[in-house]
Amino acid sequence: GNSVTQMEGPVTLSEEAFLTINCTYTATGYPSLFWYVQYPGEGLQLLLKATKADDKGSNKGFEATYRKETTSFHLEKGSVQVSDSAVYFCALRGEAAGNKLTFGGGTRVLVKP
Amino acid sequence: AAGVIQSPRHLIKEKRETATLKCYPIPRHDTVYWYQQGPGQDPQFLISFYEKMQSDKGSIPDRFSAQQFSDYHSELNMSSLELGDSALYFCASSLLVASTDTQYFGPGTRLTVL
Repeated sequence: GNSVTQMEGPVTLSEEAFLTINCTYTATGYPSLFWYVQYPGEGLQLLLKATKADDKGSNKGFEATYRKETTSFHLEKGSVQVSDSAVYFCALRGEAAGNKLTFGGGTRVLVKP
Repeated sequence: AAGVIQSPRHLIKEKRETATLKCYPIPRHDTVYWYQQGPGQDPQFLISFYEKMQSDKGSIPDRFSAQQFSDYHSELNMSSLELGDSALYFCASSLLVASTDTQYFGPGTRLTVL
């Protein structure tokens, strides 16, 4: 079955530092890949997505590239802010439309001023 | 833009009671998904509906049932509640067109079973 593995947190950074959260997946075919963010006490917000190999998703300074050869979708941001403190979930949707999302375990990021 | 609406936002129940969670998808979305997120865990898929028909089923206990109505809203019915059912329950919706099949999540219903 499908699975997603992402680095465990918490990740603690200083403001303006570079952030990388590793995410690798196992799936058959050509899944779609997503990053969702969950701020304290809130729901899941879509951060970015990529639907085919070599696609780069980007939003709010975050980027992730769909690498089929390494089955990875690492999230990066060049300069984090305190407001980026949240839990980040990497997720995979199977090839067929309407498939469920399979989530990684989540990575808590704490940015200190 | 309109988002997914869930009600109630918080719910406290006793063991063995029943609970009903409601989800109103984004207008024109035809697919609804339910997920359960335990404390400190990642969301786990429960069940989904497309055009009012169950489309997929995950790790949903037999004590739970769900349906999607003609106006596309969905309800998750939970009976014989157990302490372990305490969790955040998310509803997500999408439009089942492959190129735009992105799931948008509601704010969740936090269920506490005492």
